[in-house]
Parts: sequence; C-alpha cells; structure tokens
Amino acid sequence: EVQLVESGGGLVQPGGSLRLSCAASGFSLSPYWMSWVRQAPGKGLEWVANIKQDGSEKYYVDSVKGRFTISRDNAKNSLYLQINSLRVEDTAVYYCARGIPGEDAFDIWGQGTMVTVSS
Amino acid sequence: DIQVTQSPSSLSASIGDRVSITCRASQSPSSFLNWYQQKPGKAPKLLIYGASSLQTGVPSRFSGSGSGTDFTLTISSLQPEDFATYYCQQSFIGWTFGQGTKVEIK
Repeated sequence: EVQLVESGGGLVQPGGSLRLSCAASGFSLSPYWMSWVRQAPGKGLEWVANIKQDGSEKYYVDSVKGRFTISRDNAKNSLYLQINSLRVEDTAVYYCARGIPGEDAFDIWGQGTMVTVSS
Repeated sequence: DIQVTQSPSSLSASIGDRVSITCRASQSPSSFLNWYQQKPGKAPKLLIYGASSLQTGVPSRFSGSGSGTDFTLTISSLQPEDFATYYCQQSFIGWTFGQGTKVEIK
C-alpha cells in the first residue's frame, strides 16, 4: 500500500524545536517533489515547504523562512522538517504530501502529526 | 504568490443536488489549479488536478472547469459521502490554498 506516515509532533514551549519525520512506504520517494502542509485547529490548509527530488531546491512560505528546514533522505525513503524558534501560531497538524510530477498537485498525504506550541 | 479566494465559504445542499464551488485567483495560474476534499479529522484528498483532470479513483460526478482567473468545482449529484470541506489550490507561482468551502446537509 502506498502511504506516508508522519511522526515527531508533540507539545513544545515557545522558542523550542522539533524534528518531524515522514516515512514513505509502497513507493520510492526519489522521483517526487515532496511538501509539508499544515492546518491550524479549525482553520484551512497552508503550504509550508517543499523540496526537489535530489534536495537541490527548497522553498518555504514566508512565515517560516529562517526557522524551518526541509530535508530528505532518499536512501531511507524519508522526508523531514526541522522546526526551530517555534511560535504559538505554528500550532497545527503537519502533513507531508507527495507531488504529482509536472502538476504540483499533492496526490498522496500522510495522516498528519500534531504540533502544539504552548507555555 | 498568487492568492486564491473561494466562494461561498459554506453552503447547504440536499442529496442529489448539483453543487458548484468557485475559486478566483489574483492572477492566472495557467492550468495549475487543483481541488481537494477534506473530511473532519482526515487528511485532504486530491479530486481534480490541472483544472479539469479527474484524479484516479475519484467518482465522475466530480468535475473541474475554468480558465484565466476563474475556476469551478462541480458535483453533479451530491451524495451522502460528499459532505465535507473543499479547497482549491494554485501551484503555478508558489503554492496557495483557498480558505475552504464547507458543504453541509440541508
């Protein structure tokens, strides 16, 4: 079965850090752009970051630039998001998602991992 | 980045109704306009990509249309499992989602 499974979320104080992971199974990560998308409680979807197949290009939404770092390890079939200097407004479910080649639509999503930033 | 605005933000409809949701972009995203369905507590599901291409496995009652800055998701005959929130997304310049349209039972 083709799936993505996120892990690493939790409760963290403002200013803290977390590393989110996304493990792919049933397919190889290497041919695909991969993204992180988040959803604050009761709110809509927000694209956060994405990374090219070989990791040579990375893009971020303005609100996380300099604080979040996306990376991947194709050999481990995994995607990561290092999130530093966390703010209350970063509280959200974080999803990893696979991009359709040439379309930039997200066809496979993980179940999400919750990040709560609170003192 | 291109901003996208959905309308309406919510709607009430009955089983069998034809439902349309509109997405307007701040500038043309070419055909890089996608639609997703999300049910409570679940990840989004891709319905339509490239403005009008039906994702594999998605029922044919879902269709996408539009060009320029105006796009539409249509459900031809609403089914019980279609009550959900729908999002458009542009992926031409940056990647931005609309604010969502909640489809509720009348």
